[in-house]
Amino acid sequence: SSELTQDPAVSVALGQTVRITCQGDSLRSYYASWYQQKPGQAPVLVIYNRNYRPSGIPDRFSGSSSGNTASLTITGTQAEDEADYYCNSRDSGTNYYVFGAGTKVTVL
Amino acid sequence: EVQLVESGGGLVKPGGSLRLSCAASGFTFSSHRMNWVRQAPGKGLEWVSCINNWGSEIYYADSVKGRFTISRDNAKTSLYLQMNSLRVEDTAVYYCARAGDSGFEWDHWGQGTLVTVSS
Repeated sequence: SSELTQDPAVSVALGQTVRITCQGDSLRSYYASWYQQKPGQAPVLVIYNRNYRPSGIPDRFSGSSSGNTASLTITGTQAEDEADYYCNSRDSGTNYYVFGAGTKVTVL
Repeated sequence: EVQLVESGGGLVKPGGSLRLSCAASGFTFSSHRMNWVRQAPGKGLEWVSCINNWGSEIYYADSVKGRFTISRDNAKTSLYLQMNSLRVEDTAVYYCARAGDSGFEWDHWGQGTLVTVSS
C-alpha cells in the first residue's frame, strides 16, 4: 500500500503562517483530507477535497495540492491551533485508506 | 446534532474477543459510509475498516483482515466491530467516523473507546 509522508514537527510564531505538507503517490489520484487532533480529543476534519472547509472551521485554514504533494496552510496562526495534524487519502489502486504519521504544530 | 458514541472497549487477554459498538444519531445513518479508525497510545491514526451504506462493500486494513468484522444495523443506527484473535498490538483507542458526502472525508468522529490487550 501507499504511504503518506509528513514532517514530524513544525513551529510557528503566534500570528504567523505555517504550511504543513503531505507527500505520497496516492495524492496524484485522490485529494487529501486534513485532521486536527488535540491531546485527549478525537480528530476534527479541517480541510477536504483539496480546499473545502467544514462549517465551523476558521478560514485561516486552507489547503492546496500539486502532483504528489498536498499542503495545509494556517494563516495568522492562533494559540488554539497547536495540535497534531494528519493527512489522509484513499490508497490508489486499492480500497484502503492511509494516514500520514502526523505533524505536531507548536505555536511559539 | 450529529453524535457518534462508541462503547464496548475494555481489557482483554491476547487471543480474546471484543465487540465494539457505535451508536449514531442526528443524521440519516443509512446515507453514509462508516469507518473504524484506531490510535495506539502515543501513536498516529490508523484506518481499520470501512463499510458502505448498506453493508455490501466492506474493506479492511491488512493488519486486521481475517480477525476483525465490521457490520452495521441501519434500523438501529449502529455500527459494530467484532474483534477476534486480539493481539497486544491491537491496543488502541478505536474511533468510529462518518464519511461525508464525497465518501472520502470523515466529517464526524466519536470520542473513542479504549481497547487494551494484555495478559
